[in-house]
Order: sequence, then structure tokens, then C-alpha cells
Amino acid sequence: GAGVSQSPRYKVAKRGQDVALRCDPISGHVSLFWYQQALGQGPEFLTYFQNEAQLDKSGLPSDRFFAERPEGSVSTLKIQRTQQEDSAVYLCASSLTTLYSNQPQHFGDGTRLSIL
Amino acid sequence: ILNVEQSPQSLHVQEGDSTNFTCSFPSSNFYALHWYRWETAKSPEALFVMTLNGDEKKKGRISATLNTKEGYSYLYIKGSQPEDSATYLCALDHAGGTSYGKLTFGQGTILTVHP
Repeated sequence: GAGVSQSPRYKVAKRGQDVALRCDPISGHVSLFWYQQALGQGPEFLTYFQNEAQLDKSGLPSDRFFAERPEGSVSTLKIQRTQQEDSAVYLCASSLTTLYSNQPQHFGDGTRLSIL
Repeated sequence: ILNVEQSPQSLHVQEGDSTNFTCSFPSSNFYALHWYRWETAKSPEALFVMTLNGDEKKKGRISATLNTKEGYSYLYIKGSQPEDSATYLCALDHAGGTSYGKLTFGQGTILTVHP
């Protein structure tokens, strides 16, 4: 497809379970971002990839969160031992270029994660 | 910690009304200001990326202005239509020496246009 694709759209998990969220960016896009959006808030930065390199993971809230992009295209955000506070919409975005770019970011539809 | 503020938090207008809302941000280390529209059950859609002080951009009935010296941007919608109902997000890209497009978002303005 032409846009950023995320799966699943909705995920319900029990507290303590591990979850994996997938992002398929626009083909050829170098930059890939993950954001977390809690209810009533704007999206908050989690991590950034330039091709396969994870250059910034300063926004990951704890060591239970792990992201990878091994071949520089598809990315996976994994959350281990989920907690209720992890409930949020997880957005993935990609953009064509990198440093000092004023390119817009292209977002997927997001994954709505609910932890019971 | 950067503080990007949007006001109002929510807005209800009648079809045909014109409306505007504000994004405030720290003016130091400014690189770019993004506006996105996020409709329910869809992905956020890029409206504008603004970089220059005094910039004014237009897309159909929507326009935006930028003042980097005082740290604000306005988004205007002329003749609102029900399909304009969405959350409007602004986001700051601040050049910290190694900026790569890392965005700090405001909390959004929820616009509802009533027929």
C-alpha cells in the first residue's frame, strides 16, 4: 500500500502479558518514529530509527519497552510484562529524509492497546 | 522539557463559521512547526510544515501563520464544514544540534462542526 500500515488495530491483553506491535512504513522512507498517545494527550515520542539504526530511544518509558527495525523497513515495538499504564494508542510514523529535515511525517492508523 | 500548548482544548462551531486556534511553543532552538489533522478512526494527516518567521501557508479553506520570535502559530479554518471535525495537533521540531525530525506535540484542539 501507499501509506504506513500498523497492525493490529486493536489489542487487548491481560496485565503481565507480552505484546508486539508492527509498523510497515512507506517504502524507501529512511526515518521511522514510534509515539505513544494517552487519552486526552498529544502523542509523545518513544523512539527513532534511521534505517536499521535506533538513534534515539530516550522516550521509552521503561526497560519493558523494546523496539527494532532489523532490515531498515518493518519495525516492531515490543512491550514485556504489560501494565495498565501501558494502555494507549501507539502511533508509527515515517518520513523520507533525515537530518535537518522539514519533511512531514506520515502516520499509520495506530494500534489501540488496552491492558486489563 | 519542552512545553507546546494548544488552545482552546475543544471548540464547537456551526457550519459556515470561521474559526481559529493557537499553538504556543518556546522560541529558542526553533526548527519547524508542524500541523496535523486527526480524524476519528483515521491516521493523522499532515497539513503544514512551517519553518520561517512570518510564514503563511494555505490549503483550501485552511491556513496557518507562524511567529517564531514570540513562539506561536495560528490555524484558521474559513467557512467550517462538518467534515472539518477532527483533532488538530501542532508539533514542534526543535533543532538541538542533531535534530532529525523529533516532534514534541501539543495536546490538540478538538473541533466539532455542527450542521
